[in-house]
This record gives sequence, structure tokens and C-alpha cells, in this order.
Amino acid sequence: DAKTTQPNSMESNEEEPVHLPCNHSTISGTDYIHWYRQLPSQGPEYVIHGLTSNVNNRMASLAIAEDRKSSTLILHRATLRDAAVYYCILKSTGKLIFGQGTTLQVKP
Amino acid sequence: GAGVSQSPSNKVTEKGKDVELRCDPISGHTALYWYRQRLGQGLEFLIYFQGNSAPDKSGLPSDRFSAERTGESVSTLTIQRTQQEDSAVYLCASSFEGTRSFDEQFFGPGTRLTVL
Repeated sequence: DAKTTQPNSMESNEEEPVHLPCNHSTISGTDYIHWYRQLPSQGPEYVIHGLTSNVNNRMASLAIAEDRKSSTLILHRATLRDAAVYYCILKSTGKLIFGQGTTLQVKP
Repeated sequence: GAGVSQSPSNKVTEKGKDVELRCDPISGHTALYWYRQRLGQGLEFLIYFQGNSAPDKSGLPSDRFSAERTGESVSTLTIQRTQQEDSAVYLCASSFEGTRSFDEQFFGPGTRLTVL
């Protein structure tokens, strides 16, 4: 399974945008880029996914590099409830392979 | 509609005992997954069921771990002769179709297993 590299932790101020980077230089052509987050004491929840084009949904935006070797999850206005571990995952079929993710701290 | 449910929410057992953990996936979801998360760690894949296909058991850590799924409904994860290192949160997830790269997984709240 292809691997991703994310910073261990990031900080943001409330109501400011947050850009969470992910490197995946060994991505294959059929891999989708998925982002999940895990709030404290909860199971992971789906955030967004994409293949080649940038994607937007009600939770976030996903910017994918043209060569697909990196991507960035964008939270447009961070709230305290966005404090979580964010996982960037390359998915072909079946299981998700979770790395250590990025722990996002949001300061009021 | 109802999400993924798991029972029990907490289980405390003594070393050497067997335990069964239950997962009820979202109705209509053909794929079901089990993951384990030790304290302060990331999620580890355990096993994946897709419809009537043979399950992907590649993540099961030892032969003490097994899982079954009845059709496309409930699944049971069984741990025999529990050890202290089995203490973790066991998470179940389901998705509409596991063979498609874009299908999202919906996670249950987990079962916290403590082996004394």
C-alpha cells in the first residue's frame, strides 16, 4: 500500500484557514486520496476524497497537485470543534491504511 | 438512518478469557471492516468482508483473533485467550461497496476492551 507523509502536529487560530499538507510521492494511478479525521474519544469520520481535480464539500476543500504527489486539506475557517487528528490515506480498494496523521490544535 | 453500531461499548475481561465483540453495519452496506486502536496509536486494519467473497484476513495479529459475518449484516470479532496487549479500542466500519476506491467508510463508536 502506498504511504503518505504528514506533519505530526499543527496549530491554528480559531476562525482562520488551515492548510494540512500530505505527501504521497508513490501514489499509483488508481489511488484515490482520502481524508478522515478523528475527534477525541470518537471513531474516525470521513472528510473528503479526490482523484485528480480539486474537490469541495461542506466540511473542507482538497487541493491536489498536478502530479498527484501531494495534496492539501483546507479548512476554510477553523473552529474549536475541528481539533482532531487528520489522516491522509491513499485508497485503492478495501481497507484503509492509517498513518499517524496530523494532530490539529485550534486556539481560541 | 442508523449508523454503525457496536456492542458492548466497554468490556473488561481477565487475561485468558475469550471475548466477542459485535458490529451492526449500516443497512445495505456490502463491505465491513474491523480495525484496532491501541492507546495513543493510529488505527490498525484487522479484517475486511466484501459481500460473499473470502474475507481479507491479512491484518489479524494472531490465530487467537477471528471474525465472522452473517450475509451482509452483523459481524462478530472473537478474541480467544485474551492477553493484556489486546487492550485497545476495536472499531468497526462499513461502506456501500468496498471494491470501489472512492467509497467512504462509516465508523462505529468502538468497543473499548480492557484485559486485566
